[in-house]
Amino acid sequence: GESVGLHLPTLSVQEGDNSIINCAYSNSASDYFIWYKQESGKGPQFIIDIRSNMDKRQGQRVTVLLNKTVKHLSLQIAATQPGDSAVYFCAEASGTASKLTFGTGTRLQVTL
Amino acid sequence: EPEVTQTPSHQVTQMGQEVILRCVPISNHLYFYWYRQILGQKVEFLVSFYNNEISEKSEIFDDQFSVERPDGSNFTLKIRSTKLEDSAMYFCASRQTAISGNTIYFGEGSWLTVV
Repeated sequence: GESVGLHLPTLSVQEGDNSIINCAYSNSASDYFIWYKQESGKGPQFIIDIRSNMDKRQGQRVTVLLNKTVKHLSLQIAATQPGDSAVYFCAEASGTASKLTFGTGTRLQVTL
Repeated sequence: EPEVTQTPSHQVTQMGQEVILRCVPISNHLYFYWYRQILGQKVEFLVSFYNNEISEKSEIFDDQFSVERPDGSNFTLKIRSTKLEDSAMYFCASRQTAISGNTIYFGEGSWLTVV
């Protein structure tokens, strides 16, 4: 069946280091992917997205990489800051389908 | 920046009672969603809504659930007879179009506790 999953439930990084959060998806029909950040007690906050016709997209301090061959998505955060501490979810959708399918989430802990 | 707003932020209700969760989507958005997140788990799709009708729903969205857009701004989720397992954070989301690549924005959530 369709699924989106994360390899690491918790990732600890030192402030200033780069973070890489990974996500595997199994629906080969997925053509749109989003990374969301969720702080405790809050809603998912959009970080960055990518369409399947791209393999890399950069934002401010964040980069998303998409490898369709192995159905893998990653989020790179440069110079990680304490404010980046949160749970990060990848989500995918296919075509104009309404729903997003979320992964299980990775908790990013930034240590000083 | 426009945002999706939800009320109440937290509601405690007794099992069997009806609950209505309210959402005001972003004003020029046309597609509306409800998702839920049980504590410590991933976000799950419940229902999508477009042009005053449900366009897709998950198996979670059974006969106890309904959605409505009673006016031009509000979008509501009703649970007719709440169960303990309905305790979760409920997120409303909206999207301007359904074109692939169009961002979906989430509200801050309504935390429902059924006792």
